[in-house]
Amino acid sequence: DQQVKQNSPSLSVQEGRISILNCDYTNSMFDYFLWYKKYPAEGPTFLISISSIKDKNEDGRFTVFLNKSAKHLSLHIVPSQPGDSAVYFCAALNSGNTPLVFGKGTRLSVIA
Amino acid sequence: DAGVIQSPRHEVTEMGQEVTLRCKPISGHNSLFWYRQTMMRGLELLIYFNNNVPIDDSGMPEDRFSAKMPNASFSTLKIQPSEPRDSAVYFCASSIALRSNQPQHFGDGTRLSIL
Repeated sequence: DQQVKQNSPSLSVQEGRISILNCDYTNSMFDYFLWYKKYPAEGPTFLISISSIKDKNEDGRFTVFLNKSAKHLSLHIVPSQPGDSAVYFCAALNSGNTPLVFGKGTRLSVIA
Repeated sequence: DAGVIQSPRHEVTEMGQEVTLRCKPISGHNSLFWYRQTMMRGLELLIYFNNNVPIDDSGMPEDRFSAKMPNASFSTLKIQPSEPRDSAVYFCASSIALRSNQPQHFGDGTRLSIL
């Protein structure tokens, strides 16, 4: 049973436009959420996170939104750049109990 | 700063052979995680350690898989005997503490191919 779901395996966006990556979770005990970015032949690298006490966290071109009632979070990248092309993993944890649970990832392609 | 170091980067071996993957976590990190990435299942957590002690190995797929952490700076994941379906990318990650909001830091992985 997948606790963290990324239902879109891939996404293509034109350079300069907004990229929106979505993630749904089923475990209401999750209280911290992270996004990781992965380039080919490299390990995932941490991108941005959000605590369940917030509904938005922004870092430069990257913003994560959390909707707890819908058990949904999204990552917005604006403007998108070709260097953003990578696989993005959503991850969640219950900080008092479990380590990270990852989604299967969404491959983002930013087209110049 | 040195990140998480994994070796080898690539391993190609025949079915039935023993495979040993190695990981050096970031100095000062107390928790270490082994993951397997496949197209079908994404990133699966296999086992994790805290202060060199295995905490949960429920993600290990079979008894053919074993992991050790003899000290704070070294861990191994062993598959014996290996099978073609074990082919995947194996990642090691470390973090400051087990139940912490500090993110995990990943190595660049070992791409394993079992023929």
